[in-house]
Amino acid sequence: LAKTTQPISMDSYEGQEVNITCSHNNIATNDYITWYQQFPSQGPRFIIQGYKTKVTNEVASLFIPADRKSSTLSLPRVSLSDTAVYYCLVGYNTDKLIFGTGTRLQVFP
Amino acid sequence: NAGVTQTPKFRILKIGQSMTLQCTQDMNHNYMYWYRQDPGMGLKLIYYSVGAGITDKGEVPNGYNVSRSTTEDFPLRLELAAPSQTSVYFCASSTGLKSNQPQHFGDGTRLSIL
Repeated sequence: LAKTTQPISMDSYEGQEVNITCSHNNIATNDYITWYQQFPSQGPRFIIQGYKTKVTNEVASLFIPADRKSSTLSLPRVSLSDTAVYYCLVGYNTDKLIFGTGTRLQVFP
Repeated sequence: NAGVTQTPKFRILKIGQSMTLQCTQDMNHNYMYWYRQDPGMGLKLIYYSVGAGITDKGEVPNGYNVSRSTTEDFPLRLELAAPSQTSVYFCASSTGLKSNQPQHFGDGTRLSIL
């Protein structure tokens, strides 16, 4: 049974680097891993996506090991405005995309 | 620059009532989705559509119906509202079905069934 798992919550302080992991067994050979950010009372917003190794954009980095059974979203030097819920989304062979359970990140001053 | 627009933003229904949640997108995306998000939980896919006239079930389709008569619109219908359908409903659209085509989300409809 396909399943995507993330830690329920994480705490950090401003200026620190935050790493959020997502475990995804049975990921399809051609599928990507995509991460979204969600603020209260808003829909999720795309952050970054990748297929393997490392991807970096102006917001975050995404690390994917060779076996692709997990991925790590890295947020450099977080600020209070990064307090949100972060979801990973992975496609499976059934073409039914399954969101992770979400990680609630709380950033403190 | 509207993106995905959902109406209404809030609604309270009585048990057994029916309603339609509206969703429209102006990005000419073929793929559209409906999710529900229960308090403190992740998103679960209700239905999706790969183009006008084509819909398919997601993880939790029971109690809902959809239609897709145009590329822009993807309404979600609740025929007999039940307390278990109290949730926040999100509509999304994308250029493709696979996870490498990012989904664009609306801001949700908060629905309470009393």
